[in-house]
Amino acid sequence: GAVVSQHPSRVICKSGTSVKIECRSLDFQATTMFWYRQFPKKSLMLMATSNEGSKATYEQGVEKDKFLINHASLTLSTLTVTSAHPEDSSFYICSASQGKNTEAFFGQGTRLTVV
Amino acid sequence: KQEVTQIPAALSVPEGENLVLNCSFTDSAIYNLQWFRQDPGKGLTSLLLIQSSQREQTSGRLNASLDKSSGRSTLYIAASQPGDSATYLCAVRRDSGGYQKVTFGIGTKLQVIP
Repeated sequence: GAVVSQHPSRVICKSGTSVKIECRSLDFQATTMFWYRQFPKKSLMLMATSNEGSKATYEQGVEKDKFLINHASLTLSTLTVTSAHPEDSSFYICSASQGKNTEAFFGQGTRLTVV
Repeated sequence: KQEVTQIPAALSVPEGENLVLNCSFTDSAIYNLQWFRQDPGKGLTSLLLIQSSQREQTSGRLNASLDKSSGRSTLYIAASQPGDSATYLCAVRRDSGGYQKVTFGIGTKLQVIP
């Protein structure tokens, strides 16, 4: 299957700082990328959907100014957690796909810990 | 609003058994349904993708079926192995207000006992 690389896999940051997570499709052009958050023993929660060259569409309850998503190219999307707080600590996962009826491929996730 | 339910939440079986995991969804207007496995602390690995026009897909010991009209899918695992131990997630993809949306179930945690 296609490869989606997510970086970093783990990050610890101080409260109040910002953290950027990258999601790259290595061998295909991803017209759409999704960002998810996963709480312990909970389902993946879709945060936002981004299409290349367009603004991301955020799910209800997700703060746009806190979770900045950029999808500047067909192979890269970034999620920036701004002014992180301990409650932002979570497992963040991205996925990428080439189109509506195509398979979604997932990155390996990023474990964010805010101290 | 799409809701995806997976039953059972957890399952423990002896090695060699065949098993079935269930997934149901409330809105049948989907593009596709995809089954994943997730190992602890890891990302997701895609297992099978079924388009809305298809009824089943097979890969090795795995077989997934889709009954879109009734909002159900099953994942059948034949001759289970300890390496199959993981959490299995199903996800449905659909159009929502002009953009794509993927909704996941909470998963079934499978343990295969040697």
